[in-house]
This record gives sequence, C-alpha cells and structure tokens, in this order.
Amino acid sequence: QVQLQESGPGLVKPSETLSLTCTVSGGSVSSGSYYWSWIRQPPGKGLEWIGYIYYSGSTNYNPSLKSRVTISVDTSKNQFSLKLSSVTAADTAVYYCAREHATAVAGTDYWGQGTLVTVSS
Amino acid sequence: AIRMTQSPSSFSASTGDRVTITCRASQGISSYLAWYQQKPGKAPKLLIYAASTLQSGVPSRFSGSGSGTDFTLTISCLQSEDFATYYCQQYYSYPRTFGGGTKVEIK
Repeated sequence: QVQLQESGPGLVKPSETLSLTCTVSGGSVSSGSYYWSWIRQPPGKGLEWIGYIYYSGSTNYNPSLKSRVTISVDTSKNQFSLKLSSVTAADTAVYYCAREHATAVAGTDYWGQGTLVTVSS
Repeated sequence: AIRMTQSPSSFSASTGDRVTITCRASQGISSYLAWYQQKPGKAPKLLIYAASTLQSGVPSRFSGSGSGTDFTLTISCLQSEDFATYYCQQYYSYPRTFGGGTKVEIK
C-alpha cells in the first residue's frame, strides 16, 4: 500500500521560503510510471495544482506560481520536496503531496494526509 | 489554462436519493477527467478516472459519464457516508485544474 507523508514547518513568515518534504513508502519515486505532485487548498476553498516532478528530475509547474516554485526529488531517501519563495498570507493552505499516473490514464490516486502551512509574522 | 466549472456548488439531499453533479470544461479534454470525494479535514479520494472508470474499492453506486467538455458524476442511492464535497479535475493539459467543488449536504 503506497503511503505519502508531508513534513515541514507549520508556520512561515511573510517573504520567507516555505519548504515541505514528502516521504513515500510502499512505492518508489524512481518509478517511471508516476509523477510526484504538490497540490494545495486554502482554508475553506478549492484545490490548486502546484506542480510535479518525474523521477528523471523533469518538472512541470503551474504558471501562476512558476516564478516562486521549485520541486526536487531525492531518490536515495525516496522523497520529493517543495520550495515556495516569497510567501504571503495568500499562500496559507493545506499542502498535499500526491501521486499521479504518468500515462495520463488514471488520475491522482494516492494523496498524503496534508499539512497546514500558515504564513504569518 | 482550462477552466473547470461544476454545478451546483452545493445542494441538500436525503439518504437514498439519486444525485447528479455536472462538470464542464472550457475546452475539450477528451476523457481525461477525474472525480474526487473530500470529507472535512481529509485528503481528496479518487473515485473515478478516465471520466467513467471506477477506482478500485469505490462502491458501484458511483458512476461517471461524459467526454469532450461535459461530464457528470452520479450517485445512484445516496448513503450517509457520501455527504462530502466532490471535485472534478482535468488531466488533459497543464496546468492541471480542478472544479470549484460541489458540497452535498444532508436535507
């Protein structure tokens, strides 16, 4: 059974960089069958796709966040990470890591439980 | 970006009802559409992918249909555990985009 678990600070100051890590168990980030994604959800609002990374290191980011986002992968630790720079209160959200099928057949089938990140001084 | 529009945004229903949620894409997405269920404080759960394929373990009272720009999610006989918010998502192109959600509440 694949499991994903987000970790990182729950409070980030405005203008600083938000950093989260997703640890994958029961599966491998080195698999060529999946994209490893980040998705966020502001409190009481809908879902926003942030971007993904492939095991090769190739990435795809949401243009609305592209200038501030970096997603990286560490295959030795079976982890992938999100960095979002110059955060503001608008970046306060529950951040989910998730797995999407790279064949574009089956959608996003596994999600982490989510971690709330609050941007506040 | 492809805009996904869900309707209604919320409604009330009773256990045993047949309910239908609609999702419309701003341009054709073939069948690259997924439906998710989200309960308060939980991550979204994949219900249907490829517009009409039931994810393993999802009850058969859930079904999906459509292609191109218009899609529907149907729950044939609403159960108490189905009261939740439902989201559609297109994975035809980047950025991936979600509908605004449909909250199904108890009447």
